[in-house]
Amino acid sequence: ILNVEQSPQSLHVQEGDSTNFTCSFPSSNFYALHWYRWETAKSPEALFVMTLNGDEKKKGRISATLNTKEGYSYLYIKGSQPEDSATYLCDLGIGAQKLVFGQGTRLTINP
Amino acid sequence: DARVTQTPRHKVTEMGQEVTMRCQPILGHNTVFWYRQTMMQGLELLAYFRNRAPLDDSGMPKDRFSAEMPDATLATLKIQPSEPRDSAVYFCASGPLAGRYTGELFFGEGSRLTVL
Repeated sequence: ILNVEQSPQSLHVQEGDSTNFTCSFPSSNFYALHWYRWETAKSPEALFVMTLNGDEKKKGRISATLNTKEGYSYLYIKGSQPEDSATYLCDLGIGAQKLVFGQGTRLTINP
Repeated sequence: DARVTQTPRHKVTEMGQEVTMRCQPILGHNTVFWYRQTMMQGLELLAYFRNRAPLDDSGMPKDRFSAEMPDATLATLKIQPSEPRDSAVYFCASGPLAGRYTGELFFGEGSRLTVL
């Protein structure tokens, strides 16, 4: 059974601080990894699509890196703001047939 | 602005009743997924389709759940008979698929089901 693990499960960060969390996956059969932001009472929205080892993507204060050889991706948030509070999901595409989601990291930014 | 449309947005029903949730994927997307939001706030995969053919429904309780895609513009998830433990938010998502899958998913707004 393919397991995509996200850590930590939840995180409380003070406004203005920077933070990061991890998505780990088995490195074989990797095709693509996606990060999503899922705000309460809304639906998940894609942040990044990452396909190549060493990929780095950035959107405003949020960035992500990918290491397919060791099987992890990091998501970084610089200077956290209250609007960053959400659950951050990653999913792993393993070929054309399968997507597996992690359980998410629930981020709360304390004002 | 293309988006995935789900109906109904909210449904309250009594135990034993049939529930049908519908999803209209984004035009041109050939992969459709049904997810259920779990108590741990994760996403539990129920079923997915590629080019309307079911590829995996191993996450779905077969005795009461069924998923179909009668045409490219409609996917349905049916629960019969419904039980209180089925109460959850059900998400539909669609994505493009061409050879190796690399595209992200686009989610509908979810159908919140309450079974009394």
